[in-house]
Amino acid sequence: AAGVIQSPRHLIKEKRETATLKCYPIPRHDTVYWYQQGPGQDPQFLISFYEKMQSDKGSIPDRFSAQQFSDYHSELNMSSLELGDSALYFCASSLRGASHYGYTFGSGTRLTVV
Amino acid sequence: EDQVTQSPEALRLQEGESSSLNCSYTVSGLRGLFWYRQDPGKGPEFLFTLYSAGEEKEKERLKATLTKKESFLHITAPKPEDSATYLCAVGLGTYDKVIFGPGTSLSVIP
Repeated sequence: AAGVIQSPRHLIKEKRETATLKCYPIPRHDTVYWYQQGPGQDPQFLISFYEKMQSDKGSIPDRFSAQQFSDYHSELNMSSLELGDSALYFCASSLRGASHYGYTFGSGTRLTVV
Repeated sequence: EDQVTQSPEALRLQEGESSSLNCSYTVSGLRGLFWYRQDPGKGPEFLFTLYSAGEEKEKERLKATLTKKESFLHITAPKPEDSATYLCAVGLGTYDKVIFGPGTSLSVIP
């Protein structure tokens, strides 16, 4: 079965650089979520999109932006990277109204800022 | 403030030794409580959704229960392959917002 696809799997950037993370949700899922997970920490909700519109916002820094495209894939753009941005970034998708199935998470992008 | 806590932080069990993990929450407008399993370096894997107090769900050696303020994940006769971090998450009043607890790291020793 198709899963949530994230790319790249690993990314190394220098401070003040920019990064773009991509997420391809499960086909027919209409909602995409982005989470940030630091070492030994729980996933922190960043932002979500439903039908290509931002639906909720969490602790996403102003330096970050995200969007969902017509094919439902989503991109998280991160600018002016800081050392503290080093983390695992997970994308998840779901079908609104079917929360009893939970979210399906991707394998994550490990971002390292040096 | 919406908050999810889990205990214990870490749990070490012998194979076959049953135990329970706790998730406590103080949120407004609970939409659902979720349990996930996360292996190192991987995304969380969905286990259960619970909606109302008194509800129970089972899957293999795992059983999740829900009260008004907490949820328990009972692990019966665990095996080494059950070793993982178990995350509790709550869906809030807004449709898409889910916040996670800090997780319980479970190690099952053969």
